[in-house]
Amino acid sequence: GENVEQHPSTLSVQEGDSAVIKCTYSDSASNYFPWYKQELGKGPQLIIDIRSNVGEKKDQRIAVTLNKTAKHFSLHITETQPEDSAVYFCAASMAHGNNRLAFGKGNQVVVIP
Amino acid sequence: DSGVTQTPKHLITATGQRVTLRCSPRSGDLSVYWYQQSLDQGLQFLIQYYNGEERAKGNILERFSAQQFPDLHSELNLSSLELGDSALYFCASSVGERSYNEQFFGPGTRLTVL
Repeated sequence: GENVEQHPSTLSVQEGDSAVIKCTYSDSASNYFPWYKQELGKGPQLIIDIRSNVGEKKDQRIAVTLNKTAKHFSLHITETQPEDSAVYFCAASMAHGNNRLAFGKGNQVVVIP
Repeated sequence: DSGVTQTPKHLITATGQRVTLRCSPRSGDLSVYWYQQSLDQGLQFLIQYYNGEERAKGNILERFSAQQFPDLHSELNLSSLELGDSALYFCASSVGERSYNEQFFGPGTRLTVL
């Protein structure tokens, strides 16, 4: 099945700097890659997603890039703010007959004021 | 607020017991997913239902079972509980059954097995 790995597991950045989280996936047939943000005590929430026919997608301070050849995708957060502190999960669709997502283990991002 | 509700918020029980977790999806959503979140394993997919029928199964133990009722709410039953079953259990819902349909997560049920 699909295997999704995230790096680094923890990331600390100064407020205003950029944060980048990378994910790799194993199934070349995966075609949908969402990113979820989980704040303390809450469930994950979709913040941005990308499909395999697009290389980059941007939404205000958040962007996602996809490299299908290398089978990795990254989340970029610019001008980080304290409210960006959370756990971020990447996921990849599992192909071959089912409809589910395989999630990475999550990255703890800490924005230092 | 995602529109997905889960009850109870917290559950403390003993090994060997059985519990039922409940999930109400967002209005209009037909798909319900169950996930287990533990510290070292991240979000583990357990099972998916769509309009009352099982659609996909993940790493769900035989001691666990789920169902989706005609009103689309879902229940996850955990039996013969073990210490290792202590985790956060999330329910998510989406309008369709495909992986590219956005999943809306509930606030979770924290299960503690003593």
